[in-house]
Amino acid sequence: AQTVTQSQPEMSVQEAETVTLSCTYDTSESNYYLFWYKQPPSRQMILVIRQEAYKQQNATENRFSVNFQKAAKSFSLKISDSQLGDTAMYFCAFSNYNTDKLIFGTGTRLQVFP
Amino acid sequence: EPEVTQTPSHQVTQMGQEVILRCVPISNHLYFYWYRQILGQKVEFLVSFYNNEISEKSEIFDDQFSVERPDGSNFTLKIRSTKLEDSAMYFCASREGATKISDGYTFGSGTRLTVV
Repeated sequence: AQTVTQSQPEMSVQEAETVTLSCTYDTSESNYYLFWYKQPPSRQMILVIRQEAYKQQNATENRFSVNFQKAAKSFSLKISDSQLGDTAMYFCAFSNYNTDKLIFGTGTRLQVFP
Repeated sequence: EPEVTQTPSHQVTQMGQEVILRCVPISNHLYFYWYRQILGQKVEFLVSFYNNEISEKSEIFDDQFSVERPDGSNFTLKIRSTKLEDSAMYFCASREGATKISDGYTFGSGTRLTVV
């Protein structure tokens, strides 16, 4: 069975600084997708960034980038130039190539301080 | 931007009562999902729904749960006889279907169900 582990329940960062959120996963599959979702307080989860396992290049979306290490089964999220609006719960998620069920980690609560 | 709408945002029900959680997915989406998150725990997959039938369900989704798309716009989750352990945040999500799985879902804001 696939599992997703986020070992940092809470993180904090000062505005304009860089922070990295960790995620590891376990699977025997070779084709899959990885996602980071952001959940601001009392709002819906929104997709931050995604990575397809067969792509070696790390995904980037503006200030958000990932460090995808397939052999190590690691998928960390780096947020550069942190902004107050980045304060949220961040979930790492996994999906097999042939199913669209998402398997989530327990989340990391990120607080950005002024 | 189109949204997935869930109502109510918070529902309190007595143990043993039936509850229906409602979701309005994005209009051109074809795939629908329910997830739940017990306080302090992981977000867990419950069920996926396509073409008016369940396409996949988890072991959590037992006979007490059912889903329906009664009128082509709403997507509902019914819990027939609620238990204390059903207390959780329930998220609805939808996906267009024409796009790849890698494009991800659109989630609603969730319904917090409290069973007392």
